[in-house]
Amino acid sequence: RKEVEQDPGPFNVPEGATVAFNCTYSNSASQSFFWYRQDCRKEPKLLMSVYSSGNEDGRFTAQLNRASQYISLLIRDSKLSDSATYLCVVNRGNTGKLIFGQGTTLQVKP
Amino acid sequence: EAGVAQSPRYKIIEKRQSVAFWCNPISGHATLYWYQQILGQGPKLLIQFQNNGVVDDSQLPKDRFSAERLKGVDSTLKIQPAKLEDSAVYLCASRGVRGLNTEAFFGQGTRLTVV
Repeated sequence: RKEVEQDPGPFNVPEGATVAFNCTYSNSASQSFFWYRQDCRKEPKLLMSVYSSGNEDGRFTAQLNRASQYISLLIRDSKLSDSATYLCVVNRGNTGKLIFGQGTTLQVKP
Repeated sequence: EAGVAQSPRYKIIEKRQSVAFWCNPISGHATLYWYQQILGQGPKLLIQFQNNGVVDDSQLPKDRFSAERLKGVDSTLKIQPAKLEDSAVYLCASRGVRGLNTEAFFGQGTRLTVV
């Protein structure tokens, strides 16, 4: 079993739709959590950190459930420019080790 | 602020040949990572440095891969000899503070094709 698991998709949605991605992690020593975005043939870039209380950045909302070891990302009012791969990332323990999930591909269509 | 620099951007080699990749992290970043990303997969951590010391190299295939970070700044990753399955993008990332919620910044990667 992979340490960080995501549904690879692809998720094909129309513009304006709301879409949610889920991620589970297996190591309970994980301390911090992130969503990174990766455009085709580009490097990953931080989208947002995920806090226990949940956090929102514009159309994006991230949630963390430590008891269930589950992270989510909600995108509202999808734009064509949101088309990308979304990577769930877990910082294991206090060594700074960053573990990436497989990524979930989103394609927003007009 | 300059980002993470990697070179070369692309490399094509024959199997059993050797290849080396170079990374210059963001100035002052103590943590440096090398990841391997195979097409359609997420980045897989190969090795993590804290300054010039290795923090984790548990997934580095040490029979053929080696990495060093002399003086705690630049780093090189070497493959010798290369296999077909080493075809991937090799990403270098750096991070200013170990742990918790700091962002890791990635270079553009080196795309390796082994033929």
